[in-house]
Amino acid sequence: SAVISQKPSRDICQRGTSLTIQCQVDSQVTMMFWYRQQPGQSLTLIATANQGSEATYESGFVIDKFPISRPNLTFSTLTVSNMSPEDSSIYLCSVEGRRGQGYTFGSGTRLTVV
Amino acid sequence: DAKTTQPPSMDCAEGRAANLPCNHSTISGNEYVYWYRQIHSQGPQYIIHGLKNNETNEMASLIITEDRKSSTLILPHATLRDTAVYYCIVRVAYNAGNMLTFGGGTRLMVKP
Repeated sequence: SAVISQKPSRDICQRGTSLTIQCQVDSQVTMMFWYRQQPGQSLTLIATANQGSEATYESGFVIDKFPISRPNLTFSTLTVSNMSPEDSSIYLCSVEGRRGQGYTFGSGTRLTVV
Repeated sequence: DAKTTQPPSMDCAEGRAANLPCNHSTISGNEYVYWYRQIHSQGPQYIIHGLKNNETNEMASLIITEDRKSSTLILPHATLRDTAVYYCIVRVAYNAGNMLTFGGGTRLMVKP
């Protein structure tokens, strides 16, 4: 299955600033997915990132708040903009594995906004 | 994707089998049952999936009822490292771009 490297693993940020999270995959993938996991909650999909096109955002998430880049088939970034304490969560990227292998997730970025 | 229902928490003694149930009564014919788990502070990990036949791999066994309305994930000899949240997900497989929809999952606590 694919191996995902996600950076940073954790960060503490000031209110009003922005953080960019990177996701690197060791193989070419068509789609990459970004999820958010708020404290004590399950995972919620933020957006789906296609290479060469605009990301598709789920209800409740907007591009101005969570801009995504997908410059090639192995890399994507998610930016959390103008952060507030409510953005404190774990952010995870994911790719679909090869046929029958399920999805692979990065280890996540634990963000704390103070 | 069909909705799933799982108990919020379960306990299991170390070395015993852990049987985690999942109800998916609205599952359609082309939807697969997937299981993932999330160990504290890590990303979710794929365990197993199946359509209608029972499946087994090195991690677990998946038993799907004949009417496909429910399934059970079996960890045959649970260890302390199996303590995690287990998610049962129903989705159309091999459909590029079809993201996973996570429910609340079952928090499994394996006790010595």
